[in-house]
Amino acid sequence: QVQLQESGPGLVKPSQTLSLTCTVSGGSISSGGYYWSWIRQHPGKGLEWIGYIYYSGSTYYNPSLKSRVTISVDTSKNQFSLKLSSVTAADTAVYYCARARSLAYYFDYWGQGTLVTVSS
Amino acid sequence: SYVLTQPPSVSVAPGQTARITCGGNNIGSKSVHWYQQKPGQAPVLVVYDDSDRPSGIPERFSGSNSGNTATLTISRVEAGDEADYYCQVWDSSSDHRDVVFGGGTKLTVL
Repeated sequence: QVQLQESGPGLVKPSQTLSLTCTVSGGSISSGGYYWSWIRQHPGKGLEWIGYIYYSGSTYYNPSLKSRVTISVDTSKNQFSLKLSSVTAADTAVYYCARARSLAYYFDYWGQGTLVTVSS
Repeated sequence: SYVLTQPPSVSVAPGQTARITCGGNNIGSKSVHWYQQKPGQAPVLVVYDDSDRPSGIPERFSGSNSGNTATLTISRVEAGDEADYYCQVWDSSSDHRDVVFGGGTKLTVL
């Protein structure tokens, strides 16, 4: 059973960089066949795709966030990470990591989510 | 960018059938996926590729997709089905590859 777990600071100051890591267990990122993704949900709102990475390092980002987002992968640790720069209060959200099947692009496994609040 | 439109809310009595729509330009040419999200929980995939169900999802959940509308149908609705439901597609072309979510529909079981 694949499991994903987000970790990182729950509070980030405005203008700083939000950094989260997703640790994958029960399956190897290096095995291929999946896109490892970040999705966020503003309080009381819908889901917003942030971007994803393939084990090879290929990335795709939401155009609306592309200038501030970096997703990276560490196959040796079976982890992938999100960095979102120059954050404002509008970036306060629950951040989920999830696995998407390549070619099909649906998310079959999700982390539990972690709330990140941007505040001074 | 591609837009998916869902009704904000749908209400249904227990035992009845709920239909949640997801509108998009020629959405019938895309594969549509549906997620259920209960308060405080991560979304759960309930239908993928228009009409397939992951293991463990009851047969009461079904999907269809044609023209400009995809539909998630929940038969014999139970109180435990009360949740937010999101549709999702993969929108790709020569210059972009985006995941798109609908705005979500809150299903209320009366």
